[in-house]
Amino acid sequence: DGGITQSPKYLFRKEGQNVTLSCEQNLNHDAMYWYRQDPGQGLRLIYYSQIVNDFQKGDIAEGYSVSREKKESFPLTVTSAQKNPTAFYLCASSIGDPDNQPQHFGDGTRLSIL
Amino acid sequence: EDKVVQSPLSLVVHEGDTVTLNCSYEVTNFRSLLWYKQEKKAPTFLFMLTSSGIEKKSGRLSSILDKKELSSILNITATQTGDSAIYLCAGGEHNNDMRFGAGTRLTVKP
Repeated sequence: DGGITQSPKYLFRKEGQNVTLSCEQNLNHDAMYWYRQDPGQGLRLIYYSQIVNDFQKGDIAEGYSVSREKKESFPLTVTSAQKNPTAFYLCASSIGDPDNQPQHFGDGTRLSIL
Repeated sequence: EDKVVQSPLSLVVHEGDTVTLNCSYEVTNFRSLLWYKQEKKAPTFLFMLTSSGIEKKSGRLSSILDKKELSSILNITATQTGDSAIYLCAGGEHNNDMRFGAGTRLTVKP
């Protein structure tokens, strides 16, 4: 079945540690996105990528980094510079813009601080 | 500042009830409004609305956009326990500038 796979489902970070969240899709979508979801708030865009080897900052990119070396993969690194990383992280993909197509989401990774 | 506001934030109903969820938007560049259902983890797509006044339907769910009022509603008739979820709406021009609301948490009791 086509879809988006995020791993791990749960992740714990120690102070000063960088952690990487995995996102893989087999939908052949050009565009991929990372969102952060906090209780009582809407999804907020961290980074997005419209094409391989290119990515752009979203609204809350500080403390995060990404790469897009393959079409299928868009890993997110939460760096030690992100002082409040506890959240639910969602990866999504879509057929690329400018046609505004619905996004397909993964099951998310819940990140907590130890 | 662009924003999307959903109401109510939470709602508890009994099976068979009809519910209406609201979404209002203030976005600089608007092309479409989307509704998603988030049951446990991954939001799943319900509707995309681009034209005012045209209702979209899928089974017991329907939605309509009012560009004059900058709002949309999502109706669910004859609710079932499986409709329990968080319903998200998002508005914007492109996927990379979509603004999401905080969601409405719907609980349907047997």
